[in-house]
Amino acid sequence: NAGVTQTPKFRILKIGQSMTLQCTQDMNHNYMYWYRQDPGMGLKLIYYSVGAGITDKGEVPNGYNVSRSTTEDFPLRLELAAPSQTSVYFCASSYKETQYFGPGTRLLVL
Amino acid sequence: EDQVTQSPEALRLQEGESSSLNCSYTVSGLRGLFWYRQDPGKGPEFLFTLYSAGEEKEKERLKATLTKKESFLHITAPKPEDSATYLCAVGAENFNKFYFGSGTKLNVKP
Repeated sequence: NAGVTQTPKFRILKIGQSMTLQCTQDMNHNYMYWYRQDPGMGLKLIYYSVGAGITDKGEVPNGYNVSRSTTEDFPLRLELAAPSQTSVYFCASSYKETQYFGPGTRLLVL
Repeated sequence: EDQVTQSPEALRLQEGESSSLNCSYTVSGLRGLFWYRQDPGKGPEFLFTLYSAGEEKEKERLKATLTKKESFLHITAPKPEDSATYLCAVGAENFNKFYFGSGTKLNVKP
């Protein structure tokens, strides 16, 4: 049981490039979330999903897109990377209210 | 505005020196308050959920309490392995959304 896995662990992007952050969970959880964590700050919710085919915006959705075609996967898409998107990104899943987090993806946009 | 504030930002304790971390919140539609532990370079790890004022939960040297406006994480006789960042979060809207504080970085010296 791997829990929540995220790839890649670290990535450097140039301004304007695009990329997809991958998130997979093997706990059959319906709820999944994407957060970003800036240095010295708390986690900010980007998007969340309550099940396959259903997604909704969180606090800071601008510049990001998500899709949820399966229960297991919840990828996060950055279309035009900007320096302000430099952060650590965490994916989480939950059955009820307890969230289980992945190890994070560190993204640097230069 | 929904907000979660943690204090202090950082706390240095000697091994065995008990103390408390504070989490105050102004979130409408609160459904639960959560405490997480985060080690450097890792995702948050769930500790406790509190649902109503007056509720208390304990785990080893940690005890979490909740009032109508704030929560405390009491650490009794801490050990160096308790060193980590402790995050507080409030769940709202049927646990679709979570608001995190910026954390308290605890350093316990032997």
